[in-house]
Amino acid sequence: GQNIDQPTEMTATEGAIVQINCTYQTSGFNGLFWYQQHAGEAPTFLSYNVLDGLEEKGRFSSFLSRSKGYSYLLLKELQMKDSASYLCAVRDPDSWGKLQFGAGTQVVVTP
Amino acid sequence: GAGVSQSPSNKVTEKGKDVELRCDPISGHTALYWYRQSLGQGLEFLIYFQGNSAPDKSGLPSDRFSAERTGGSVSTLTIQRTQQEDSAVYLCASSPGVHNEQFFGPGTRLTVL
Repeated sequence: GQNIDQPTEMTATEGAIVQINCTYQTSGFNGLFWYQQHAGEAPTFLSYNVLDGLEEKGRFSSFLSRSKGYSYLLLKELQMKDSASYLCAVRDPDSWGKLQFGAGTQVVVTP
Repeated sequence: GAGVSQSPSNKVTEKGKDVELRCDPISGHTALYWYRQSLGQGLEFLIYFQGNSAPDKSGLPSDRFSAERTGGSVSTLTIQRTQQEDSAVYLCASSPGVHNEQFFGPGTRLTVL
């Protein structure tokens, strides 16, 4: 199995930066995903990391360290619409179609 | 529409009844996935299909749960003899192949009374 841990909730001010950490424990590694989920809506894909390092995509960046079992999602220039739950997911190394999700981090952006 | 669609959007049923949840994937996507999400929880993997075959059904909670996919397109998740603990949002996703990111549908909210 794979244990995936991320903080339950984070609060930040509009225009600020927030970093959401995700740690995982796996017997192997086959890729890590970040999804955004607004309340009552479907998750939407944000990023995918399979190699160590930083992937930047506009205001959002994702970092991976496989040796540390650690990833983070960085949200810059926060906007009110960024208030959502952010889900970290790890692909099962033995089953390509199976993602195991963390419980999600609720980000609250305040004016 | 261009996205994954699911029906019904809401389903209220009585304990002990059977329910069928439907998923229409994005056209051309060969992989299809079922998850469920309980209130305040992360997504729980149930099963995935590659074409009409299910290489991994390890997440199905019990033998009351089954799923099938026909014609490499539509999938149905069936829950027999529903229990109150089955209440959750059931999400379907699809992708061009299992190596790609998954695109999620809006979900079916199931309430078992």
